[in-house]
Amino acid sequence: DAGVTQSPTHLIKTRGQQVTLRCSPKSGHDTVSWYQQALGQGPQFIFQYYEEEERQRGNFPDRFSGHQFPNYSSELNVNALLLGDSALYLCASSFQRVLGNTEAFFGQGTRLTVV
Amino acid sequence: GESVGLHLPTLSVQEGDNSIINCAYSNSASDYFIWYKQESGKGPQFIIDIRSNMDKRQGQRVTVLLNKTVKHLSLQIAATQPGDSAVYFCAETGDKIIFGKGTRLHILP
Repeated sequence: DAGVTQSPTHLIKTRGQQVTLRCSPKSGHDTVSWYQQALGQGPQFIFQYYEEEERQRGNFPDRFSGHQFPNYSSELNVNALLLGDSALYLCASSFQRVLGNTEAFFGQGTRLTVV
Repeated sequence: GESVGLHLPTLSVQEGDNSIINCAYSNSASDYFIWYKQESGKGPQFIIDIRSNMDKRQGQRVTVLLNKTVKHLSLQIAATQPGDSAVYFCAETGDKIIFGKGTRLHILP
């Protein structure tokens, strides 16, 4: 049983470009949350997708957008990249949103470097 | 505001000794807490959780203590091993996870 898989593992982009990151949740999970982890910091919540809709959003600008597909996989899109967007982007999957009742499993992340 | 913080950024412990990692949280309404371990190049891995109606929970070699009066969590690792080297995060959760900054645990030979 595959866990949470993210692609690509590493990515280098130029300032101003756009990027799309992908996540496949753990089998049986229907909720995907995205986090940004800057170097030396804890992960920061970006948003959460459930039933193909954005359900919760953290304090991130509209340049960050996402999508969830019928098979529960998800994409994170970032437009007009800034140097400060360089980070590890983590995807977490869970079942039916409520993390207090279920465990969230994290992928290994996508390391994005903006130059 | 939403914040979960840690007292020490780095902790060095002799192999075989016990490790204690501390964490303070700010939201007194939080009712569910998790400790995560993050090894280099990997995503956070669940270690142990605790609900606000408990003050102690034990797992395999790990114990979490919760003091709601002072809004403090601690993670105790018994007989620390080289494989315990990682960054440890406390987090409070509801429908999203709020992480602290993390403590890096170094194991001394």
